[in-house]
Amino acid sequence: KNQVEQSPQSLIILEGKNCTLQCNYTVSPFSNLRWYKQDTGRGPVSLTIMTFSENTKSNGRYTATLDADTKQSSLHITASQLSDSASYICVVSALGNNAGNMLTFGGGTRLMVKP
Amino acid sequence: DADVTQTPRNRITKTGKRIMLECSQTKGHDRMYWYRQDPGLGLQLIYYSFDVKDINKGEISDGYSVSRQAQAKFSLSLESAIPNQTALYFCATSAAGRGTGELFFGEGSRLTVL
Repeated sequence: KNQVEQSPQSLIILEGKNCTLQCNYTVSPFSNLRWYKQDTGRGPVSLTIMTFSENTKSNGRYTATLDADTKQSSLHITASQLSDSASYICVVSALGNNAGNMLTFGGGTRLMVKP
Repeated sequence: DADVTQTPRNRITKTGKRIMLECSQTKGHDRMYWYRQDPGLGLQLIYYSFDVKDINKGEISDGYSVSRQAQAKFSLSLESAIPNQTALYFCATSAAGRGTGELFFGEGSRLTVL
């Protein structure tokens, strides 16, 4: 069964600090991995997508990494801001079908940034 | 205006009542989905539709039904609501074809069944 596990479940950091969120998956065959940010009371919004051949990709202060051999991804947030407080969801797509019915969702990491 | 709009945003109802959650989109996408989100759990797919004449069950369709009234509209119904259907419901869309599969979500409908 395809699975996506995220850690930690929740995290509290001080404003300005860095943090790293982890995602381990067993989806096969792998197509791509996407990180979504979900603000409280809002729908998830895509931050970045990682394909098989990509190791690192940045989007502003967010940097995602992918190790397809160990089936792990991380999302690193640099110089955190209060607006980074949200849940971060890792979503993995199986090869051959990128439709929303073939996605496996992680349970998310809830990040709280305190002043 | 949001690209994917859900109504109502919040609803409190009683066990046994019929509830309809509505979703409309202006993204022009053919594919629409209904997901359910419970605290600490990943989003679970309830139903999906790839075009107006296409309806498919997801992993947790029992107790739910859907209607795709038009390309832009996809509604979710709970014929007889029960307390364990209390959750946050999301409508989402995606583009057809072998794209990257990005989902575009509405802002959610929080349903409480007493």
